[in-house]
Amino acid sequence: GESVGLHLPTLSVQEGDNSIINCAYSNSASDYFIWYKQESGKGPQFIIDIRSNMDKRQGQRVTVLLNKTVKHLSLQIAATQPGDSAVYFCAERAAGNKLTFGGGTRVLVKP
Amino acid sequence: DSGVTQTPKHLITATGQRVTLRCSPRSGDLSVYWYQQSLDQGLQFLIQYYNGEERAKGNILERFSAQQFPDLHSELNLSSLELGDSALYFCASSTTATNEKLFFGSGTQLSVL
Repeated sequence: GESVGLHLPTLSVQEGDNSIINCAYSNSASDYFIWYKQESGKGPQFIIDIRSNMDKRQGQRVTVLLNKTVKHLSLQIAATQPGDSAVYFCAERAAGNKLTFGGGTRVLVKP
Repeated sequence: DSGVTQTPKHLITATGQRVTLRCSPRSGDLSVYWYQQSLDQGLQFLIQYYNGEERAKGNILERFSAQQFPDLHSELNLSSLELGDSALYFCASSTTATNEKLFFGSGTQLSVL
């Protein structure tokens, strides 16, 4: 796995602005992707998922974009709120149906 | 609240000891997954059970074992504990066996002293 904890990449966002969290995945055969939010002291919380036959999927205030050509996944959060401050993980499902998690990105929302 | 229940929330023990972590999946979910989260290794998949049967194995040490009972709750047993086993252990559950929409519990923080 990748390094996490103190060495997490951090995204600082002004409250009310849109956030874009990026994730590069490793396996071109991955067919399913998922985003999780983890707040301090809590377990990962499901945000949104997308299959490889889609390019975009929208949820409540969130949009996931998938670019298979460059193996890139992004999560867009509209009108970021203080409650969005957390670590965000992407995960890919590849061979053997196992989910592999990325190292995470810390989002800090400034008031 | 994800609907996945893990106990205990915190566990402090000594090297060489054995502990059991317990997980109750969401109602209706047949799959249970165990993950380990440490600062230097991120979220690492340990093992998956589906309807009582072992489905997939990840980076699980031989000192660790798990099972899923007929009522679908699961236990993760960690033995001969070492300092490096200190981590957050998460259980997740899903409806199917195919690693989609996993819902995580709040974890057990294990400290080995």
